[in-house]
Amino acid sequence: DTGVSQDPRHKITKRGQNVTFRCDPISEHNRLYWYRQTLGQGPEFLTYFQNEAQLEKSRLLSDRFSAERPKGSFSTLEIQRTEQGDSAMYLCASTSNPSEGYTFGSGTRLTVV
Amino acid sequence: GQNIDQPTEMTATEGAIVQINCTYQTSGFNGLFWYQQHAGEAPTFLSYNVLDGLEEKGRFSSFLSRSKGYSYLLLKELQMKDSASYLCAVRHNTDKLIFGTGTRLQVFP
Repeated sequence: DTGVSQDPRHKITKRGQNVTFRCDPISEHNRLYWYRQTLGQGPEFLTYFQNEAQLEKSRLLSDRFSAERPKGSFSTLEIQRTEQGDSAMYLCASTSNPSEGYTFGSGTRLTVV
Repeated sequence: GQNIDQPTEMTATEGAIVQINCTYQTSGFNGLFWYQQHAGEAPTFLSYNVLDGLEEKGRFSSFLSRSKGYSYLLLKELQMKDSASYLCAVRHNTDKLIFGTGTRLQVFP
């Protein structure tokens, strides 16, 4: 297993377009998290899955954001009608046991122009 | 509300010891993590404290006092490669991580 994979690594999109990111967690990890990180800040929680169930979604997440994990393996995060304020690094993390730590992917850097 | 405070920036000299402090006030607490993040890279796990006291792992140690809402990360024998951001994160009761803003550490020769 090569760890948590995220695709694409970079995405530049025009304001108003839709974008979708993919995260492939470590295969035996049943919990998957999405975070957003802007420059000079720590990661901010977006949403969390246990297997295919979305158990928590941040109140900061607007209706333009949606995430899925249809088979309890990979996950996608979609942003509709992107805005310049959506420009950030989107990080995915997975774990099978939170007490043993969360493994992060290298992230998808989104730039909205 | 959730509040996690850590210094924005610190500098230190190669070979020295540096302590990065973190104070927290969160609605739920199930342990505290420290992560290292080099620019443009993924955060990597350093330590996890759930009980009060000191956890030592090589050059890195982490301390937790739950009654004071306080933790620190101690880095010994600093190396140039330790220049990075260090993120303090509380594991909430729901198992999400709540991060501080991170401390950017610069190590000089």
